[in-house]
Amino acid sequence: KQEVTQIPAALSVPEGENLVLNCSFTDSAIYNLQWFRQDPGKGLTSLLLIQSSQREQTSGRLNASLDKSSGRSTLYIAASQPGDSATYLCAVLYGNKLVFGAGTILRVKS
Amino acid sequence: GAVVSQHPSWVICKSGTSVKIECRSLDFQATTMFWYRQFPKQSLMLMATSNEGSKATYEQGVEKDKFLINHASLTLSTLTVTSAHPEDSSFYICSARDPSQGGTGELFFGEGSRLTVL
Repeated sequence: KQEVTQIPAALSVPEGENLVLNCSFTDSAIYNLQWFRQDPGKGLTSLLLIQSSQREQTSGRLNASLDKSSGRSTLYIAASQPGDSATYLCAVLYGNKLVFGAGTILRVKS
Repeated sequence: GAVVSQHPSWVICKSGTSVKIECRSLDFQATTMFWYRQFPKQSLMLMATSNEGSKATYEQGVEKDKFLINHASLTLSTLTVTSAHPEDSSFYICSARDPSQGGTGELFFGEGSRLTVL
């Protein structure tokens, strides 16, 4: 069964701190992996997409890594800001099916 | 990136009525769209894959007669929740892949539609 797990479920940090969100997946036969941000009651904003052949992607203060053999991805957020507070979702694409993790709820305190 | 739009963004209806949600790809043609459901404090679960010009493919446990999907054009897919009940209250969100983006497989999501059934 293809499952995606995210740890931690929730995280609260002071502003300015660097942080890491973790994602693991059971089936390594992935097409790609995407990290999304979801604000309360809103849709999804795509943050980073890593192809199965890639090791990492960077966008601004965000860096996502992928280790397909171990079934893991991390999202690194540098110098966190209160505006980063949201739910972060990891999703793995298997063929045509995108499987989501349960998300990490991030709160950055000012 | 490509833009996917949903309408309505929220809807409240009485139990037993039917509700239609639209998903449009605004600047690209999508032969395939995907419908997800998200219950409070849970993640997104794929309900069905909508194929232009043919029948939708439903995930296990999703009632195809209750959740009617129509993908009549390359830019529009609709989800109709028939005879809605309070347990159908959820956040419904669609996504699509832009073929012009090459083989990245990146999916673009709509803003979501919150359904509340009284």
